[in-house]
Amino acid sequence: EADIYQTPRYLVIGTGKKITLECSQTMGHDKMYWYQQDPGMELHLIHYSYGVNSTEKGDLSSESTVSRIRTEHFPLTLESARPSHTSQYLCASSKGDEQYFGPGTRLTVT
Amino acid sequence: DQQVKQNSPSLSVQEGRISILNCDYTNSMFDYFLWYKKYPAEGPTFLISISSIKDKNEDGRFTVFLNKSAKHLSLHIVPSQPGDSAVYFCAATYNNDMRFGAGTRLTVKP
Repeated sequence: EADIYQTPRYLVIGTGKKITLECSQTMGHDKMYWYQQDPGMELHLIHYSYGVNSTEKGDLSSESTVSRIRTEHFPLTLESARPSHTSQYLCASSKGDEQYFGPGTRLTVT
Repeated sequence: DQQVKQNSPSLSVQEGRISILNCDYTNSMFDYFLWYKKYPAEGPTFLISISSIKDKNEDGRFTVFLNKSAKHLSLHIVPSQPGDSAVYFCAATYNNDMRFGAGTRLTVKP
């Protein structure tokens, strides 16, 4: 069973605020990912990491940044939130081909 | 460039009947394929997968079929149950690059 956690689950925030979405996994997986998903659309990869101190941007251009200081922790930060950032953010981790997802953070920027 | 496509946004079946969800892909380099199931307000959960060297994989009520020449895979659920109602995402991966379809919403009616 996958043990991957995301907080907060829901967040409503005003334009211009700085926010950090938390993601932690207890499986010791080296690989971690952030996806953005809008209703009825595919998951878009915005960031990934293959290990500590390794971070890469995904296919979808994003104004967010990530860090990977510890294996189990992969937070995502938006320095200045905008309404266009309103979406669901999904964190995942993997050891092999199967990715395990957290419950997601539903972000609304007003 | 959407490399994985699920052309049916929704599917409705009667309880006890077979559900068939379809997925097409364009990149012949994909070597591993997965199906994920997603309930509202939750992250996707892994359901079943298949390697490109196989054409069928079965796990209980779930069977995935792969037709490499047609670049097509399908998920069969039989018999369908109301608890199967969810959004199903097809995913394909190669060299740690995973692509998702837009999902098919399955509704199983009692």
